[in-house]
Amino acid sequence: DTAVSQTPKYLVTQMGNDKSIKCEQNLGHDTMYWYKQDSKKFLKIMFSYNNKELIINETVPNRFSPKSPDKAHLNLHINSLELGDSAVYFCASSRPGVLWPQHFGDGTRLSIL
Amino acid sequence: AQTVTQSQPEMSVQEAETVTLSCTYDTSESDYYLFWYKQPPSRQMILVIRQEAYKQQNATENRFSVNFQKAAKSFSLKISDSQLGDAAMYFCAYRSAGGTSYGKLTFGQGTILTVHP
Repeated sequence: DTAVSQTPKYLVTQMGNDKSIKCEQNLGHDTMYWYKQDSKKFLKIMFSYNNKELIINETVPNRFSPKSPDKAHLNLHINSLELGDSAVYFCASSRPGVLWPQHFGDGTRLSIL
Repeated sequence: AQTVTQSQPEMSVQEAETVTLSCTYDTSESDYYLFWYKQPPSRQMILVIRQEAYKQQNATENRFSVNFQKAAKSFSLKISDSQLGDAAMYFCAYRSAGGTSYGKLTFGQGTILTVHP
């Protein structure tokens, strides 16, 4: 049973398209995150939701819009994709409170042609 | 803002030997958590070990241990009896204990570890 699952694992698309990445966790966690790992492997927080409420939004372009229909799901929609959006996007979840470690999904590799 | 620095882009070790990966961080906070994550070629992010800043005792998990020096803001990872499966990219990460950060992780640049048979 996968704890944090992301779909799709790979996404190849053209510049200007709109795409979504889905994330689901079955751990019963209240908090979920999106991280971006760039071509140099640097990982940076993008968004965080706690119980469906946005709590972190780190200077991410408006083209990126997270949506949390319930606390087990956090999806990422990207409009008008640009070459610089090529990266691996990781979803993670944790229990509320900083004591608990974050559990990561396997990542979605997004490639923009 | 907190920053995490891993000064070793690459390290290598012979199988069965010991290797230490370095990490330093900058913060004005007194309460926080530190983590080491492993990312093998499969791309998964796997938690290796964590340390609570308020604990003086260094954390250990089987062959993995840390040397936490709070005053020096240093958090190194020691891997003993290295195995081929330890080959991966290792990330040091910081997490504030304060409420305003909402638990986000701040990562270092990563260190690629190669294990030679």
